[in-house]
Amino acid sequence: DAKTTQPPSMDCAEGRAANLPCNHSTISGNEYVYWYRQIHSQGPQYIIHGLKNNETNEMASLIITEDRKSSTLILPHATLRDTAVYYCIVRVGGSARQLTFGSGTQLTVLP
Amino acid sequence: DGGITQSPKYLFRKEGQNVTLSCEQNLNHDAMYWYRQDPGQGLRLIYYSQIVNDFQKGDIAEGYSVSREKKESFPLTVTSAQKNPTAFYLCASSRTTNEKLFFGSGTQLSVL
Repeated sequence: DAKTTQPPSMDCAEGRAANLPCNHSTISGNEYVYWYRQIHSQGPQYIIHGLKNNETNEMASLIITEDRKSSTLILPHATLRDTAVYYCIVRVGGSARQLTFGSGTQLTVLP
Repeated sequence: DGGITQSPKYLFRKEGQNVTLSCEQNLNHDAMYWYRQDPGQGLRLIYYSQIVNDFQKGDIAEGYSVSREKKESFPLTVTSAQKNPTAFYLCASSRTTNEKLFFGSGTQLSVL
């Protein structure tokens, strides 16, 4: 399974878009990109996932580059409640294993 | 409400003692997982189970044991062989191993 690289921390002003990058340069063709977030001392929460195409749901948008070597999670209008650690992971569809989550990006939304 | 329930929220272990962390889900999910999280770190997979009566080791299984006798339950035992058990333990489930994870609220285990 491919490894991912994320910046350790980012700040964002409340009401602005938060763009969280993730590099996965060794991703294979059958590996999906998943995003989760974890608010302090709670269990992680699923946000979104995708394979090749850009995806959007009620929480966020996921932009995957054409070569699939990187992706960006976009929170369109960040609120204080979006302050959390955001994890980007890649895993093979149908794999019986769930990847280890790396250290993620600490997003702090500022008032 | 459907979800995953972990108990207790806080647990203390004495030297040489085995302790068991509970994880129950009412989502009718086939797959269940245990993760360990150390301060400021990501999550590492301890054990996972795809179906009842079956489970597999994850990346850091040494010093831990599990059972999956019922679909809704996946208890984790931290044995005395685990020399550094202090951590935040998270249980998760998914409909199948191919789908997104749902997490419980975690158990903080500390050594006295």
